[in-house]
Amino acid sequence: GENVEQHPSTLSVQEGDSAVIKCTYSDSASNYFPWYKQELGKGPQLIIDIRSNVGEKKDQRIAVTLNKTAKHFSLHITETQPEDSAVYFCAPTSYNFNKFYFGSGTKLNVKP
Amino acid sequence: EAQVTQNPRYLITVTGKKLTVTCSQNMNHEYMSWYRQDPGLGLRQIYYSMNVEVTDKGDVPEGYKVSRKEKRNFPLILESPSPNQTSLYFCASIPRAQSNEQFFGPGTRLTVL
Repeated sequence: GENVEQHPSTLSVQEGDSAVIKCTYSDSASNYFPWYKQELGKGPQLIIDIRSNVGEKKDQRIAVTLNKTAKHFSLHITETQPEDSAVYFCAPTSYNFNKFYFGSGTKLNVKP
Repeated sequence: EAQVTQNPRYLITVTGKKLTVTCSQNMNHEYMSWYRQDPGLGLRQIYYSMNVEVTDKGDVPEGYKVSRKEKRNFPLILESPSPNQTSLYFCASIPRAQSNEQFFGPGTRLTVL
């Protein structure tokens, strides 16, 4: 199955700074690259995704970049706010996959 | 409101006492899945179902059973729970297997003593 690694495992930033989380994967057939946000006591929720024919996608303060050659993609959060504090997961997959593999998660703490 | 519901949200039980965690979605999704979440390990898939009466093992299926008799429901059954099944469990659904975006329930925290 897909081998997914996510770094860092914890990240602490000052409010207003930027945060970057990286996800590497092993299966070259992967063509869908989502990021999920899990707030305390809740289930994960999709915040942004990218497909393999695109190198970058932005949605206000968050962006995802993809390097298919190197098999990694990253989540970028600019102008961080305390409400960005959460655990973030990547889950690279393919339209042909039936199973899903998640990264081990990154706990982001944004200090006011 | 479109949602995935799980019950119970919290459960403390003893080794060997059979239990069922229910999962229901009201979005007519074809694909449903169960995950367990443990510190440092992320979410690991237990079982999934591509449609009614179609189920298959995920990465960590040992000690669990599932069934999919109706499209909306996907219960997780622990026939003889053991302490190593103490975990946070999530049910998720996807419109179709190839849609990819997953919709998660609120989670069930299970403690097996």
